[in-house]
Amino acid sequence: DQQVKQNSPSLSVQEGRISILNCDYTNSMFDYFLWYKKYPAEGPTFLISISSIKDKNEDGRFTVFLNKSAKHLSLHIVPSQPGDSAVYFCAASGKSGTYKYIFGTGTRLKVLA
Amino acid sequence: KAGVTQTPRYLIKTRGQQVTLSCSPISGHRSVSWYQQTPGQGLQFLFEYFSETQRNKGNFPGRFSGRQFSNSRSEMNVSTLELGDSALYLCASSKGGGMRNTEAFFGQGTRLTVV
Repeated sequence: DQQVKQNSPSLSVQEGRISILNCDYTNSMFDYFLWYKKYPAEGPTFLISISSIKDKNEDGRFTVFLNKSAKHLSLHIVPSQPGDSAVYFCAASGKSGTYKYIFGTGTRLKVLA
Repeated sequence: KAGVTQTPRYLIKTRGQQVTLSCSPISGHRSVSWYQQTPGQGLQFLFEYFSETQRNKGNFPGRFSGRQFSNSRSEMNVSTLELGDSALYLCASSKGGGMRNTEAFFGQGTRLTVV
């Protein structure tokens, strides 16, 4: 049972345009969400997070939007740069204090120069 | 500030053998979690330790075990290796209190290949 879903395995975007990565979740107990970026042969790197009390969080070129009613979050990268080409994972944690993150399967972003 | 260190980076083992992976968290971090990454499966949670106690465990067979030492370093052991255990094993550390509402920092992982 995949509680966090990233339905697009890959995405290609032109340099300078907006990249939008989507993530859906099924567990209404999730209250904290994160995005990680992963390059080959490296561990995931934290990008940005959002608490369920917010609907938007912005950090430089990265903005995460949370739609709790739709159980959907998205990561916007503007403008996209070739160095952004990586696999992006969304993750969620819950109110139950289980001390773990549930990750999606990832979306491979390719930014074309 | 040193990051999360995992050793070894690469490992090749034969079916039926056992393996031990090591993780040194960021200084001051007391929570260590382990994840398995396989193609198409994302990161699957294995277990989490805090102050030498396992607080949560994922849905993996008992062949997967771990422990944490008093200096917060952690080890993960897989016994009776199977071909399907081939994966990237990632360790993540976070501040005291676990991973709730705080980001986790990952190591580079250990690439385990079972032949």
